[in-house]
Amino acid sequence: DIMLTQSPATLSVTPGESISLSCRASQSISTNLHWYQQKPNESPRVLIKYASQTISGIPSRFSGSGSGTDFTLNINGVEPEDFSVYYCQQTNNWPYTFGAGTKLELK
Amino acid sequence: QVHLKETGPGLVQPTQTLSITCTVSGFSLTSYYMQWVRQTPGKGLEWMGFIRSGGSTEYNSEFKSRLSISRDTSKNQVFLKMNSLKTEDTGVYYCARDNNYVMDAWGQGASVTVSS
Repeated sequence: DIMLTQSPATLSVTPGESISLSCRASQSISTNLHWYQQKPNESPRVLIKYASQTISGIPSRFSGSGSGTDFTLNINGVEPEDFSVYYCQQTNNWPYTFGAGTKLELK
Repeated sequence: QVHLKETGPGLVQPTQTLSITCTVSGFSLTSYYMQWVRQTPGKGLEWMGFIRSGGSTEYNSEFKSRLSISRDTSKNQVFLKMNSLKTEDTGVYYCARDNNYVMDAWGQGASVTVSS
């Protein structure tokens, strides 16, 4: 199975900061990597698909990059509603796998 | 408007079978794959399997022969059945619409507790 390692596990930031979250795959997955956001007591929602493709309705401050084994989710100017957990997921190989998540918290 | 809703038993006894129904609206099950994902305290988010728009299925081998996914297109429903439940199967079970391998719409989740 492909393992996805997300770092950091927790990131403490103040609103307005620009941040980067990392997701590293145990083997190459091309750009078959998607990012999801999960707020407390809610279902996940997709933010970025195929490493860098935007999703309709998602604020433009969210962007993604990477290919192969190293991927990054960027938030350009964190807003209060962004404090939640972020997961990456690969769909290059079965079984599809998720990372353990990065929790973005208020400093 | 796309909508998905899971309904399940809430509490299941160990060794028993879990059955969850996902009822969808706003799109056709014959046009999209449907995924099942669970979230447990021990393992986080886990992909369980999916049913294709044509009705064939794929499963995570982690669940071996315990898992079955089926559907009734006339009722816009997808079904998850998993037998031989253990306490570590406690968690939230989600159905999600698969749009070109991206889960672009999710249900609210069905919370399941495995306990005697």
